[in-house]
Amino acid sequence: GQQVMQIPQYQHVQEGEDFTTYCNSSTTLSNIQWYKQRPGGHPVFLIQLVKSGEVKKQKRLTFQFGEAKKNSSLHITATQTTDVGTYFCAGPNTGGFKTIFGAGTRLFVKA
Amino acid sequence: DAGVTQSPTHLIKTRGQQVTLRCSPKSGHDTVSWYQQALGQGPQFIFQYYEEEERQRGNFPDRFSGHQFPNYSSELNVNALLLGDSALYLCASSLQWQRGEAFFGQGTRLTVV
Repeated sequence: GQQVMQIPQYQHVQEGEDFTTYCNSSTTLSNIQWYKQRPGGHPVFLIQLVKSGEVKKQKRLTFQFGEAKKNSSLHITATQTTDVGTYFCAGPNTGGFKTIFGAGTRLFVKA
Repeated sequence: DAGVTQSPTHLIKTRGQQVTLRCSPKSGHDTVSWYQQALGQGPQFIFQYYEEEERQRGNFPDRFSGHQFPNYSSELNVNALLLGDSALYLCASSLQWQRGEAFFGQGTRLTVV
């Protein structure tokens, strides 16, 4: 079945270092979403990318959607302790209403 | 403007019992999706409701069923609970015409003993 994979599973960084998580889909996606879940919390929508090759920025966060619309990345510049949490990518199944989440990348930031 | 609200926040049930979880979507939203999130994993899609109908289902057995009411609120029912059903159950609401962005509730933590 259709799968969404994320790497790495975990990332430990020193505050101020950069962080990148990568997302790969087994099929072409019509769009991709990114969510952040703080420890003990619920997923919070960050952004949706729709166009091939799209790049969007939110302050220190940069999101990219691959040319083939099968991969995506989230890059955080100069991490802060408030960036701690798990970052999930998610995409719709082909032709349906199901949203498939990756397993997430958990970010740890050491002050 | 209230966001997505779920009840209860925590629940402990015994194997074989039945449970009902409730969700009120964000004001103005007409679509509700339910997810199961095991510890350390991503949310797994259970099903989605729109116009009081289940319009897509994930890989979950028939023990999992749901309902959407005319006011768009929704229930998730799980029968014959198994230990493996212990998880965080998340409800997400969205607008039918606005595919993608979804607002999640705080979830119901279900423990089956």
